[in-house]
Amino acid sequence: AQTVTQSQPEMSVQEAETVTLSCTYDTSESDYYLFWYKQPPSRQMILVIRQEAYKQQNATENRFSVNFQKAAKSFSLKISDSQLGDAAMYFCALPDQGGSEKLVFGKGTKLTVNP
Amino acid sequence: SAVISQKPSRDICQRGTSLTIQCQVDSQVTMMFWYRQQPGQSLTLIATANQGSEATYESGFVIDKFPISRPNLTFSTLTVSNMSPEDSSIYLCSVDLGGSGNTIYFGEGSWLTVV
Repeated sequence: AQTVTQSQPEMSVQEAETVTLSCTYDTSESDYYLFWYKQPPSRQMILVIRQEAYKQQNATENRFSVNFQKAAKSFSLKISDSQLGDAAMYFCALPDQGGSEKLVFGKGTKLTVNP
Repeated sequence: SAVISQKPSRDICQRGTSLTIQCQVDSQVTMMFWYRQQPGQSLTLIATANQGSEATYESGFVIDKFPISRPNLTFSTLTVSNMSPEDSSIYLCSVDLGGSGNTIYFGEGSWLTVV
């Protein structure tokens, strides 16, 4: 079964600084997607970034980028130039098998951004 | 991009009553997914809703407690039946809107409090 581990329950960062959130996972699949979602206090789950496992190039979306290490099964999220609006819960997720649309989530990391 | 809307966004429910949550997508999708997020927890998949067939439930979730309808390719409902305080959660629907691989989005969530 797929598992996702986020080892940092809470993180904090100063505004304008950079922070990295960690995620490791376990899967027997060779081709899959990985996701980071942001959940602000409004509780909506917002897709931040996704990575295709067969692509070696790390995905980037504006200030958000990932460090994907397939062999190590690591998928960390880097937030550059942190803004107050980045404060939220961040969840790492993986399909429960291959191209499945069902996701398995980590426990989340609560990010605080200090002014 | 497509919009996924959920109703209600928030509700306070009496113990023993039932509440139906609606999820509407503005494009046709094959499968829709329902998740539960208990307070302070991560997301757990309840069931998969396919149009034209019965929903498929994950371990620990049963149809009598969480009946699901999927009358067409853009709409689904989840009913939380005979509610108890333990059902106080955020309920979210998700769909894959990616044309060439997993791109999984969530509705705004329905935050239920059972008193």
